[in-house]
Amino acid sequence: ETGVTQTPRHLVMGMTNKKSLKCEQHLGHNAMYWYKQSAKKPLELMFVYSLEERVENNSVPSRFSPECPNSSHLFLHLHTLQPEDSALYLCASSQDRAGGRLYGYTFGSGTRLTVV
Amino acid sequence: LAKTTQPISMDSYEGQEVNITCSHNNIATNDYITWYQQFPSQGPRFIIQGYKTKVTNEVASLFIPADRKSSTLSLPRVSLSDTAVYYCLVGKGQAGTALIFGKGTTLSVSS
Repeated sequence: ETGVTQTPRHLVMGMTNKKSLKCEQHLGHNAMYWYKQSAKKPLELMFVYSLEERVENNSVPSRFSPECPNSSHLFLHLHTLQPEDSALYLCASSQDRAGGRLYGYTFGSGTRLTVV
Repeated sequence: LAKTTQPISMDSYEGQEVNITCSHNNIATNDYITWYQQFPSQGPRFIIQGYKTKVTNEVASLFIPADRKSSTLSLPRVSLSDTAVYYCLVGKGQAGTALIFGKGTTLSVSS
């Protein structure tokens, strides 16, 4: 256990379903991130939250909707997904320090999403 | 963030030392160099971070020359369980910034 917990670990959903991915961190970090990793591809940054405010949306389709109610929790709401959205979705957290040095990201184990 | 270049893949045998080199010609003065390890279907795991010269921890060593335009991750006496993808990232910790991952180096360790 890394201190970042993602649920569920596996999810199969139809294209008309609505589901949510949950991420929880117990590290006292102040920034959280969603990444997508498709098969044999690099991690793609989706969303960045710092101090509970979204600071970056990396041109992600609107069928993905993030929510960060507090610094410990991050959600990714999914609706009307496409089969090509099937991937490993990873959550990470870090303790950002304005002005520099040492950011170590702690990743969760991910949610393996399959859209059918 | 500075762009990095590292080999796509490397092969090794158990017990050998493995050195993975990453080039980052446009590294900025305030940037740090960080390496992550990722196993299949898991999130990346922080291995080591450095700014200059040499850094060593219980897992690996990181060698950074004076010009900082490259770095080498050294894994001593690898085992089968070290088979993974290794990512080199360059940047600095600022609120709200995010790590951008490249393709990494796939290390395959055989017996």
